Amino acid sequence: EAGVAQSPRYKIIEKRQSVAFWCNPISGHATLYWYQQILGQGPKLLIQFQNNGVVDDSQLPKDRFSAERLKGVDSTLKIQPAKLEDSAVYLCASSLDLGARTYEQYFGPGTRLTVT
Amino acid sequence: GDSVTQMEGPVTLSEEAFLTINCTYTATGYPSLFWYVQYPGEGLQLLLKATKADDKGSNKGFEATYRKETTSFHLEKGSVQVSDSAVYFCALRDTGRRALTFGSGTRLQVQP
Repeated sequence: EAGVAQSPRYKIIEKRQSVAFWCNPISGHATLYWYQQILGQGPKLLIQFQNNGVVDDSQLPKDRFSAERLKGVDSTLKIQPAKLEDSAVYLCASSLDLGARTYEQYFGPGTRLTVT
Repeated sequence: GDSVTQMEGPVTLSEEAFLTINCTYTATGYPSLFWYVQYPGEGLQLLLKATKADDKGSNKGFEATYRKETTSFHLEKGSVQVSDSAVYFCALRDTGRRALTFGSGTRLQVQP
């Protein structure tokens, strides 16, 4: 079974530029998460999708971050304009979550973003 | 809100030593508790979990017991190996939520 795929793996941009990350979850997984992991910290939830609807985006800085999950499969996370403090690893995760039951989250390898 | 506190690292041990990584939590509901591991160059992997008080999660020689009275979920292993060198994250999933709340991680370095 293929895991969660993310691209690119690394990205370096200058502040005020824009950047986009892509995630392909495990086939059939209804729930998709984006987490931000700043160096030395644990991952922090940015946004959670259930199929193609947003469940939780309370921690997403909506003035500069946006995310979508078209057709309930792939997802993109965009930052525009980037700030120095956005330097982090962006992790995508997915879980099966049938009905009310919650299943294990599987994580992708992450995209390491450096903003200079 | 929910939070997870882990002991700071790095933790440096010799091979075959006993490992304890402390984890305490604060939650509003009745959370499930997890330990994730991140090996060098790899993504986060679930190591073990416990879903209710007094449950013990175990995997690959690692164990952790859900202690509601002390709000703790300490990770232990009786004899560590060099291959256990990684960053370990304690996490919780609170009642009615699917997203995880993570601690800051503890780096373990095992020397031969």
